[in-house]
This record gives sequence, C-alpha cells and structure tokens, in this order.
Amino acid sequence: QKEVEQNSGPLSVPEGAIASLNCTYSDRGSQSFFWYRQYSGKSPELIMFIYSNGDKEDGRFTAQLNKASQYVSLLIRDSQPSDSATYLCAVSLNQAGTALIFGKGTTLSVSS
Amino acid sequence: GAVVSQHPSRVICKSGTSVKIECRSLDFQATTMFWYRQFPKQSLMLMATSNEGSKATYEQGVEKDKFLINHASLTLSTLTVTSAHPEDSSFYICSAPVAGGTDTQYFGPGTRLTVL
Repeated sequence: QKEVEQNSGPLSVPEGAIASLNCTYSDRGSQSFFWYRQYSGKSPELIMFIYSNGDKEDGRFTAQLNKASQYVSLLIRDSQPSDSATYLCAVSLNQAGTALIFGKGTTLSVSS
Repeated sequence: GAVVSQHPSRVICKSGTSVKIECRSLDFQATTMFWYRQFPKQSLMLMATSNEGSKATYEQGVEKDKFLINHASLTLSTLTVTSAHPEDSSFYICSAPVAGGTDTQYFGPGTRLTVL
C-alpha cells in the first residue's frame, strides 16, 4: 500500500526561525513530490514541487529530496506568523490520471 | 498558477435533498479531475477520479450511487450528493492536474456542505 507519512505536530517555532517539515514515502516508484499549504477552512495551495534529488529553493522555501532514503522535506526560513498552517506532503507516480497521495499533514505554529 | 473554481462555496440543505457541486478549470483543459472530502481536523480523502468522456473511478468505500460524478466537458466536472444526510456534511474539494506531464495539481477553493 502506498503511504506518505508526516509528523502531525504541532510544530512550534518562533518568528524568524527556520521551520523544518519532513515527509517519508513508501513507494520507490514515486516520481514527483509536492508541498501544499492549507489554512484552516481553506483548500490546499501549492507551494513547491520537486522531481530531482537535491535542493530546490523558491524565496523563503526550500524543498529537499532524497530518493534513496525516500525522504522529502520543506524548510521555511524566516518563519512568519502567517506561515502558521497545515503543510501537506504529496507524491505522484507520474502516471496519467493518477491522483496524488497525500500525507496527513503537519501543523505549523509560528509565534510572534 | 492554474485556476480551478468551485460552485457553490457553501451550501446548507435539508436531509434527503440532493446537492450539485461544480468544478471548473478556468484556463486549461482537464481530462481528469479529482474529488476529495475533508472532515474537520482530518486529512484529505480521495473520493473519486472524474474522467472526461467515461465513467468515474471511485475509491473503496465511496458509494457511487450516492456520489454521482459527471465530467461533461474538458473544463467541467460535477459532483452530486444524492439524498444527503447529516453525516455527508463535509468540505468537498476538487483538483485538476495541469496537462504536460508535470502532475502538478491545483485545487478549487472547496465547497462547505452542511446537511441539516
């Protein structure tokens, strides 16, 4: 069974700190990896996607992928209270018409 | 990013009635769309895959006769909750992958269904 695991948290960090969110997946055939942010009562919003091993940076966000370890992470630098949300990790087999497999999400709380 | 819309954003109905939720891709075509349900403080649960021109594929445990899906065109999928009951009250969200092999999915804003 294909699974995506995340620590549910809550992860609490002070404003300005680095928040580190982790995710592991079970299917070695997974090809694409996504991070979504979901505020309470809202639908998920795409933050980043990554396909290749290594780091991918976009503003304050850095996604890291290690396919050998089946591990993907999201770093948020200079965390802001507005970053407080649930972060969903999702993976895909890259097969046409296949839904993403989501983790249960990690709740991040950034205190001012 | 690509835009996916949903209508209505919020609906309150009486038990036993049917509710239709529309999901539209506004600036791209989507041969496939996905319908999710999310209960409070729980994760997204995939209900079904909507396929343009063919029958939807339902996840295990989801009643296909209760949750009717019609993918009428390359930009529109509808989910009809038939004979809704209070336990069907939830946040229903659709998503669509952007064509081009990236698998990136964009979510609609969601529909909050409350069945009295």
